[in-house]
Amino acid sequence: DAKTTQPTSMDCAEGRAANLPCNHSTISGNEYVYWYRQIHSQGPQYIIHGLKNNETNEMASLIITEDRKSSTLILPHATLRDTAVYYCIVRGGSYNTDKLIFGTGTRLQVFP
Amino acid sequence: DGGITQSPKYLFRKEGQNVTLSCEQNLNHDAMYWYRQDPGQGLRLIYYSQIVNDFQKGDIAEGYSVSREKKESFPLTVTSAQKNPTAFYLCASSMQGSQPQHFGDGTRLSIL
Repeated sequence: DAKTTQPTSMDCAEGRAANLPCNHSTISGNEYVYWYRQIHSQGPQYIIHGLKNNETNEMASLIITEDRKSSTLILPHATLRDTAVYYCIVRGGSYNTDKLIFGTGTRLQVFP
Repeated sequence: DGGITQSPKYLFRKEGQNVTLSCEQNLNHDAMYWYRQDPGQGLRLIYYSQIVNDFQKGDIAEGYSVSREKKESFPLTVTSAQKNPTAFYLCASSMQGSQPQHFGDGTRLSIL
């Protein structure tokens, strides 16, 4: 079973920031939070990941709470092309590679 | 360009026939994975390989087989023993540890 809980769907106006929440209250100390998105009929696209510090790259920012029980993915200026299903995944960072457990994700609809 | 190439994009199988899905990566990644995705659902792990000439079963390995003779290649065979093979198949690769998995564009398999 997925270790994360996400809202089923969200809407966002084009040009505004999209804030996608994720709850991972059972996360353990060596587990990372990963975000992927999937546009229909394509493979999942990696967005960002983090352990405990906030992270930012060219696509998005990841804000992880101090207790690490939840996080928020921020798309600073959403475009129509950001419409996709967004998955928040918790996974260990050990040498023994763990599978990615995809839940049902959040369907983000960006509207004009 | 570096990336993961899956072929073919669409594949049709007759009853009782084995088919092989190709996955090639030029990212110099150690680990490779095969996932299956059914409509409206998350990904489920079929097989994974951390090094050449070694691989492990995932959650739904029955009816599938793999090989890892080269670092860059991880083909998946869907055998006639797989009774419900119609799905979207995704290949991924990663470096070891906490590095994210990167996905190909998938192969959609259908039964004639």
